[in-house]
Amino acid sequence: GDSVTQMEGPVTLSEEAFLTINCTYTATGYPSLFWYVQYPGEGLQLLLKATKADDKGSNKGFEATYRKETTSFHLEKGSVQVSDSAVYFCALSDRGNQGGKLIFGQGTELSVKP
Amino acid sequence: NAGVMQNPRHLVRRRGQEARLRCSPVKGHSHVYWYRQLPEEGLKFMVYLQKENIIDESGMPKERFSAEFPKEGPSILRIQQVVRGDSAAYFCASSPWDPQLGSPLHFGNGTRLTVT
Repeated sequence: GDSVTQMEGPVTLSEEAFLTINCTYTATGYPSLFWYVQYPGEGLQLLLKATKADDKGSNKGFEATYRKETTSFHLEKGSVQVSDSAVYFCALSDRGNQGGKLIFGQGTELSVKP
Repeated sequence: NAGVMQNPRHLVRRRGQEARLRCSPVKGHSHVYWYRQLPEEGLKFMVYLQKENIIDESGMPKERFSAEFPKEGPSILRIQQVVRGDSAAYFCASSPWDPQLGSPLHFGNGTRLTVT
């Protein structure tokens, strides 16, 4: 079945460091790909998405490019801030399914130190 | 606009009791999803409902779990005869139409169920 694998956390960075969180997926169809962020004690918020190969999603300085050849959707940010500390989830939605039925990775906790 | 409201935020039940989790979607949203997050894991889809209909319950355990989204009132996730393995965070999400058409999911802050 479809699945999402993320790099394990926690990831600890200093402020202004470069961030990469790896995400790879397995899907039989042509999925849409998402990154969600969960701040402590809160629900998930959509950070960015891409719906087809080579699309780049971006938001709040974060970017991710849908790479069909490597089945990847790595999250990057050039300069992280303390306020970016959160758990980040990569997810996919198979177009054969209802769009809200997301398959999530296990999450990667990011801690940014001043 | 109020977001997705879930209550209670924290729920403690003893083994064998019933747990009822409530979710009020964003006003005007007619699609509701329930997800479960076990410790150290990602969210797992449980059930997708539209008003008065269960559309997809492929992620729901076959026994003890049920969900509804009545014409009036919140969506309810009900767990009968809870066991320790039911301890998790349960998240509700809503959207105004099929998210695959472009509308993202709006998540609530979750209900953290602890079974003692």
